[in-house]
Amino acid sequence: ETGVTQTPRHLVMGMTNKKSLKCEQHLGHNAMYWYKQSAKKPLELMFVYSLEERVENNSVPSRFSPECPNSSHLFLHLHTLQPEDSALYLCASSPRQGNGYTFGSGTRLTVV
Amino acid sequence: GIQVEQSPPDLILQEGANSTLRCNFSDSVNNLQWFHQNPWGQLINLFYIPSGTKQNGRLSATTVATERYSLLYISSSQTTDSGVYFCAVEETSYDKVIFGPGTSLSVIP
Repeated sequence: ETGVTQTPRHLVMGMTNKKSLKCEQHLGHNAMYWYKQSAKKPLELMFVYSLEERVENNSVPSRFSPECPNSSHLFLHLHTLQPEDSALYLCASSPRQGNGYTFGSGTRLTVV
Repeated sequence: GIQVEQSPPDLILQEGANSTLRCNFSDSVNNLQWFHQNPWGQLINLFYIPSGTKQNGRLSATTVATERYSLLYISSSQTTDSGVYFCAVEETSYDKVIFGPGTSLSVIP
């Protein structure tokens, strides 16, 4: 256990479903991140939150919607996804933006 | 933006062998980290090494910031070392972390 907890570990959803991924950290970190890892591709940064404010959105489609209600929790709301969105979604936190990452175990998402 | 390259892309080792993984980056960086992603997807921070050399058991890392590269040494490899090794650098001007494409390591008994 790294201190960053992601749930669920595995998720299968249809293209018309709505689901949410959850990330929780109690490390006292001020920045949290969502990454996407597709097969045979580098990790892609999706969203960055620093002190609960979104500071970066790397041109992610609107079918992915992040939410950061407090510095310990981060959500990724999913709706009307496509099969190509199937990937490993990783949450990370760091004491400040861009420094000293701790990753969660990831959610393996399959869109059918 | 900054470019991060890793070599080799794939590596197969016999258990007990040693190896060196390399990370090159195209511009000055604030920090550099090495991660190990195990076959189940878990990413573990191995080293936080903006410069110099660090050792942790069978692993050690060296970053030469002036020459824009870092090396990860794995000695007496074990099957549990299998997975993908990523280096990630923090850009100086944008406070952003860029991951390399990774080196996929398979250690066979």
